[in-house]
Amino acid sequence: QLQLQESGPGLVKPSETLSLTCTVSADSISSNAYYWGWIRQPPGKGLEWIGGIHYGGTTYYNPSLKSRVTISVDTSNNQFSLKLSSVTAADTAVYYCARHVSTAVMGNAFDIWGQGTMVTVSS
Amino acid sequence: QSVLTQPPSASGTPGQRVTISCSGSSSNIGSETVNWYQQLPGTAPKLLIYSNNQRPSGVPDRFSGSKSGTSASLAIGGLQSEDEADYYCAAWDDSLNGWVFGGGTKLTVL
Repeated sequence: QLQLQESGPGLVKPSETLSLTCTVSADSISSNAYYWGWIRQPPGKGLEWIGGIHYGGTTYYNPSLKSRVTISVDTSNNQFSLKLSSVTAADTAVYYCARHVSTAVMGNAFDIWGQGTMVTVSS
Repeated sequence: QSVLTQPPSASGTPGQRVTISCSGSSSNIGSETVNWYQQLPGTAPKLLIYSNNQRPSGVPDRFSGSKSGTSASLAIGGLQSEDEADYYCAAWDDSLNGWVFGGGTKLTVL
């Protein structure tokens, strides 16, 4: 069964770059049917889409974060990664990676999610 | 301020039917399909409804979705205590060229 697992530092200093990796297991990241995305949730608040990537390299980002976000894919290790630069306390959140399926059968949705990882921005 | 608008809270007693609304615009709900996610306390969101009214395998038929114009709704019938969770609607936005979420509705089972 497909599983996604986020990993990375739980504490990042203000103005530095947040870096997270999502490892995909039990299935290949290299499928035309899927994109791979990042979503975050500040404590006590709702969900915010950050961006996503296709294994071929096509990316799409939330316009409000685009200037600070880079998402990349490593097909050899079945992973994709998030980098968010110049972080502030407002970037403190649980960060989720998720599979974005886009097919006629399964529609267009985030159908599989990682468990999430808490990242705190503080000096 | 979320692009999609949901009521912050909803409640019902066991066995009741509850409906949660989600309001958007022509660039998202009006032209794209709507998904609903359930987030139980302390866990990751789970896909509950996709393509407006389709249930993934394993989701009980007590959960149903509908869409009309620029609004969508999630209905939960035969409410159970384990349905107590946050519910989020989501859709692709053609103007923003990205995903937008509702602010979430906290469902309390009284």
